[in-house]
Amino acid sequence: AQSVSQHNHHVILSEAASLELGCNYSYGGTVNLFWYVQYPGQHLQLLLKYFSGDPLVKGIKGFEAEFIKSKFSFNLRKPSVQWSDTAEYFCAVGAAGNKLTFGGGTRVLVKP
Amino acid sequence: DTEVTQTPKHLVMGMTNKKSLKCEQHMGHRAMYWYKQKAKKPPELMFVYSYEKLSINESVPSRFSPECPNSSLLNLHLHALQPEDSALYLCASSRGQGSSGELFFGEGSRLTVL
Repeated sequence: AQSVSQHNHHVILSEAASLELGCNYSYGGTVNLFWYVQYPGQHLQLLLKYFSGDPLVKGIKGFEAEFIKSKFSFNLRKPSVQWSDTAEYFCAVGAAGNKLTFGGGTRVLVKP
Repeated sequence: DTEVTQTPKHLVMGMTNKKSLKCEQHMGHRAMYWYKQKAKKPPELMFVYSYEKLSINESVPSRFSPECPNSSLLNLHLHALQPEDSALYLCASSRGQGSSGELFFGEGSRLTVL
């Protein structure tokens, strides 16, 4: 079975700062990788996903993530955050045909 | 706005009550899911329906009873719940079962058991 680890539980930063959230997974086979975001009071929504191909994936709202197979990592980045990026971010991993497994989540607070 | 609609948004019930949570999607998705999310925790999978048949039950207590009347609807029947069952219950759907596609989540039903 797969497992997912997100390194930071809480991140606080100022507007215009750069953001990087770490995600590592454990699974021996091929995986699909996702980042979901949950804005305050809103539903979970997909930020970006990786299935195959270019390991640098671009998503919505200026986010990107890089899949590094050798490190079993799928870190999320944004060069310059805005106050509206305040949210909880979940990394999720799934093996083909299997359920998604979510990481513990990282709460990001962007100070204006 | 999400294309997965959940009702009610909030529910308060006693331990002897019987209630139901409802979920609806009209995206033609053939897999539907129930997740439970406690405060400051990630969503935990409870049930998966694929083509209207229960395909995954994550060892959920029988006081939670899922039902999929048709491909667009998913219910979660609640009976004799415990206070520790208080949580946000999320419904999701996807084109097919498994991790190869995006899950679309509803806004959730926040349940409080007294």
